Amino acid sequence: ILNVEQSPQSLHVQEGDSTNFTCSFPSSNFYALHWYRWETAKSPEALFVMTLNGDEKKKGRISATLNTKEGYSYLYIKGSQPEDSATYLCAFPTGTASKLTFGTGTRLQVTL
Amino acid sequence: GAGVSQSPSNKVTEKGKDVELRCDPISGHTALYWYRQSLGQGLEFLIYFQGNSAPDKSGLPSDRFSAERTGGSVSTLTIQRTQQEDSAVYLCASSSDFWGYTFGSGTRLTVV
Repeated sequence: ILNVEQSPQSLHVQEGDSTNFTCSFPSSNFYALHWYRWETAKSPEALFVMTLNGDEKKKGRISATLNTKEGYSYLYIKGSQPEDSATYLCAFPTGTASKLTFGTGTRLQVTL
Repeated sequence: GAGVSQSPSNKVTEKGKDVELRCDPISGHTALYWYRQSLGQGLEFLIYFQGNSAPDKSGLPSDRFSAERTGGSVSTLTIQRTQQEDSAVYLCASSSDFWGYTFGSGTRLTVV
């Protein structure tokens, strides 16, 4: 049974703080790791797809790293802003390359 | 269309009634997925359509749930004899390849 775990479950930071959270996944038969951002009342939005060990992706103030040998990925947000408040989901293909199993997410709240 | 469209956006129904949720994927996307998120839970896979292949129904929680995809485009998720535990946000997504999903904005179903 595939298990994608995310920690922490929730996080509350002040504007300007930098933060990071973790996604753990089975390291055997790795194919890819996806990150999504899901803001309240909106659709989940794709952030990154990572495939190579040691890969690092960046989008504005958000970046992610990947360690396929030990089975984890970190998502970093530099200088958090209130608009970063969302649930951040990671996902791992199951069975086929395109069918994803999602973690339970990390809910980030950024306050002024 | 420009994005994945779901309707209705909100649905309140009485316990025991049947409901139909609709998803209109991005034109040309061969894969279509249904997920749901119950309160306090992660995204739960329900069903996956890929082209003309038989759908992967492995995530449907009971035989009260069914889905079809007509003409390789629009999909309808039907829940018969709704129960209170069916209350959730039902998300549809489509994709054309491995590089992640485009999600709709979801249907919030409340069974009273």
